[in-house]
Amino acid sequence: QKEVEQNSGPLSVPEGAIASLNCTYSDRGSQSFFWYRQYSGKSPELIMSIYSNGDKEDGRFTAQLNKASQYVSLLIRDSQPSDSATYLCAVNNNYGGSQGNLIFGKGTKLSVKP
Amino acid sequence: DVKVTQSSRYLVKRTGEKVFLECVQDMDHENMFWYRQDPGLGLRLIYFSYDVKMKEKGDIPEGYSVSREKKERFSLILESASTNQTSMYLCATFQPGVQETQYFGPGTRLLVL
Repeated sequence: QKEVEQNSGPLSVPEGAIASLNCTYSDRGSQSFFWYRQYSGKSPELIMSIYSNGDKEDGRFTAQLNKASQYVSLLIRDSQPSDSATYLCAVNNNYGGSQGNLIFGKGTKLSVKP
Repeated sequence: DVKVTQSSRYLVKRTGEKVFLECVQDMDHENMFWYRQDPGLGLRLIYFSYDVKMKEKGDIPEGYSVSREKKERFSLILESASTNQTSMYLCATFQPGVQETQYFGPGTRLLVL
């Protein structure tokens, strides 16, 4: 059974700090990695995708991928209270020719305190 | 922008009722998915479809069926609703070759009494 693991949290950081969210995955063949943000009562929205080893930056967000360690992380710089949400890590799960299947972690709840 | 809509945001049904949840997308995406999301269990895949009239079981298909008669519309059917099907139901779409990830609808919160 392919798995994606995340710490459930809650992760609490002060406003302005760096929040670090981590994710490990079991399938070495995974090629695509995504971070979604989900506010309470809302649906997940994509915030970052990463496909190659290394870092990818988008504004205050940086995704980091290490395929050898099967590890992907999300850093949020200058955290704001509006960043308080659950962050879902997702990994592609292409099998049987079916495309677009993702395996989701259960999410890490982030709380940014003013 | 991809737009995925779901027929209801909130729904209350009685045990034993047949329930239809509808998902419509306007971007001609080939693949569509139905998930349920419960606290502590995360997103669980119920069914998906990669073409009209095609369907594949996900991880938890029991008690559900689906219908995809048109490319833009993917329906989830609870044949006889039970209280353990109280959940948040999320529809998602995917198009191969574009930014290869899923786009979600707003969700339907279903309460079965």
